[in-house]
Amino acid sequence: EDQVTQSPEALRLQEGESSSLNCSYTVSGLRGLFWYRQDPGKGPEFLFTLYSAGEEKEKERLKATLTKKESFLHITAPKPEDSATYLCAVRNNAGNMLTFGGGTRLMVKP
Amino acid sequence: DTGVSQNPRHKITKRGQNVTFRCDPISEHNRLYWYRQTLGQGPEFLTYFQNEAQLEKSRLLSDRFSAERPKGSFSTLEIQRTEQGDSAMYLCASSFLWGGEFSYNEQFFGPGTRLTVL
Repeated sequence: EDQVTQSPEALRLQEGESSSLNCSYTVSGLRGLFWYRQDPGKGPEFLFTLYSAGEEKEKERLKATLTKKESFLHITAPKPEDSATYLCAVRNNAGNMLTFGGGTRLMVKP
Repeated sequence: DTGVSQNPRHKITKRGQNVTFRCDPISEHNRLYWYRQTLGQGPEFLTYFQNEAQLEKSRLLSDRFSAERPKGSFSTLEIQRTEQGDSAMYLCASSFLWGGEFSYNEQFFGPGTRLTVL
């Protein structure tokens, strides 16, 4: 059974204070690791897909990296508008569903 | 707006009543998914359709739950005889399957329907 664990559960940062969110996973045949952002009361918003170890993707202040066991979401010089819950999910080679972690709730204070 | 839409956005019902939610996917997408999310947790897979065929169902989808996608476009999720444990956010997502045998499949989510069972 696929498993995804995200840490920390919650993270408080000062504006401009860079940090990383972790996503550890076990999956039978990775067919993609996905990062989403979710604001309170809204659906998840797609950010990145990573398909193979060593792959990196960037978008504004966010950079996602992937190894064979984990993924990191690096946030550089965050702003208050980056405050949200960040979700990590995996898709295996047998199914078509996503298995999500519990998310990291990020709070950036001005 | 060409994103995934869901209706209603909020539903309050009494235990034992039936409820139905609707999802309209991104128009060119051939796959549609339903997930459930409770407070503080990540979404959990319920079921998915490729065009009008329901291809996979989770163990979470009890006999009280039924989903349809009659013409391969919009989908409905019905919950019969609701229970308090059904209170959650119900999320719909859609994707376009491409890449042949090694398929790629980014899923795009709607805003969700928040169900409260009293």
